[in-house]
Amino acid sequence: GEDVEQSLFLSVREGDSSVINCTYTDSSSTYLYWYKQEPGAGLQLLTYIFSNMDMKQDQRLTVLLNKKDKHLSLRIADTQTGDSAIYFCAEDSGNTPLVFGKGTRLSVIA
Amino acid sequence: DGGITQSPKYLFRKEGQNVTLSCEQNLNHDAMYWYRQDPGQGLRLIYYSQIVNDFQKGDIAEGYSVSREKKESFPLTVTSAQKNPTAFYLCASSSGGQDNEQFFGPGTRLTVL
Repeated sequence: GEDVEQSLFLSVREGDSSVINCTYTDSSSTYLYWYKQEPGAGLQLLTYIFSNMDMKQDQRLTVLLNKKDKHLSLRIADTQTGDSAIYFCAEDSGNTPLVFGKGTRLSVIA
Repeated sequence: DGGITQSPKYLFRKEGQNVTLSCEQNLNHDAMYWYRQDPGQGLRLIYYSQIVNDFQKGDIAEGYSVSREKKESFPLTVTSAQKNPTAFYLCASSSGGQDNEQFFGPGTRLTVL
C-alpha cells in the first residue's frame, strides 16, 4: 500500500539551513506536498511540487524531488526560530485522501 | 473570508458521554476529512466524505460517527465506545478532482475526564 516515511526529529542552529527528508512508495503520485504545523494549530500548506518537476524554489524554501528514488526533500535556508514546527510530507496518488508522513519536528536553537 | 472552522477550540467531557465536534467550510469543497492526532504522532484518518450524503471509514473509525447532510458541514461524534478519546482532532477539506490539496481547520482539543 501507500506509505510515506519521514525522520521524526531535526535540530538546527538559527541561521543554518534545514533539510527535511521524505520517502514515498507510490510511483504514480501526481503531487507531493509539504505542510507546516505550529503548536496547537492546524496544518498549513507550505509548498507543493508536481511529479514532473525536479525542483521548486519559493523564497527560503527549496523542494527537491528524485522520482527514481521516490525521495522528496524540503530545504529551509537561513532557518529562524519561527520555523520551529512539525513538517509533514504528503503524497497525492490520485486517490482521496492524501497520504501523510508522521511529521518531522524541527527545533531551531538560538 | 473563505476558510474552514472548527468549534470549540477546547472541549472537556466526562467519560461515558458522547460529544460532537463541529467542522464547517465555505470553500465550496466537495470532500471533507477528520483526523486524530496524538502527542508525538502523525495524523490518523477517522472518516472522510467525498460528496454530500456519503462517507467512508478511515483507518481508525471505531467509536466515531459522522454525517454529511450539507456540503459545508461534516460533524464528528465521539461516542462512549471510543476507548481513548482524549486527543487533538483536525478537520480538512479539498475540492476533489485533480487538485487534491487539503485545507485544514484550527483543530479541537478534546479532553475526557
